[in-house]
Amino acid sequence: EVQLVESGGGLVKPGGSLRLSCAASGFTFSSYSMNWVRQAPGKGLEWVSSISSSSSYIYYADSVKGRFTISRDNAKNSLYLQMNSLRAEDTAVYYCARAHYDSSGYYPDYWGQGTLVTVSS
Amino acid sequence: DIQMTQSPSSLSASVGDRVTITCRASQGIRNDLGWYQQKPGKAPKRLIYAASSLQSGVPSRFSGSGSGTEFTLTISSLQPEDFATYYCLQHNSYPHTFGQGTKLEIK
Repeated sequence: EVQLVESGGGLVKPGGSLRLSCAASGFTFSSYSMNWVRQAPGKGLEWVSSISSSSSYIYYADSVKGRFTISRDNAKNSLYLQMNSLRAEDTAVYYCARAHYDSSGYYPDYWGQGTLVTVSS
Repeated sequence: DIQMTQSPSSLSASVGDRVTITCRASQGIRNDLGWYQQKPGKAPKRLIYAASSLQSGVPSRFSGSGSGTEFTLTISSLQPEDFATYYCLQHNSYPHTFGQGTKLEIK
């Protein structure tokens, strides 16, 4: 059974940093691209970042580019999101999602339950 | 960047009704689109991939259609468990973009 478990969320002051982790199990982690997707309270879903299986390809939303860094450790079956220079508008539930690949490209299939990040003074 | 315009933003319907949700892409995305269902406090769940393929385990009352710039999600006969928020996602190019969501409520 595919499982994705996020951790590392919490309350942080504006300008602060936080590192999110996602522990993966139930599949060959090193064979899959991975995503971070967030959802602000009461708002819709926003794609944040994607990383290929070998970390060769990395993409970011404009809203986080230059402040967030996605990474992975295939030996530890783990995905990370380093978030720096946090702003109030980064407050959201952050989901880790596995990227399935087929003829229509890469898209999230399995999702974790999310971890809440609150940026407030 | 590709913009996804989803409509309506909310929809009130009754059990047994047929409902349709639309997503329009600002440029052609072939069939690189999925539909997700999200219930309060839960992670999204994939319903449809490649615009019209039904995810395994998803009831056949859900269907998707479209290609290029216009896509629809149809629920043929609403069941009580279908009341949720639905999102489209284009994954044709980065940044991937979601529609704004459609909240389906009980009339």
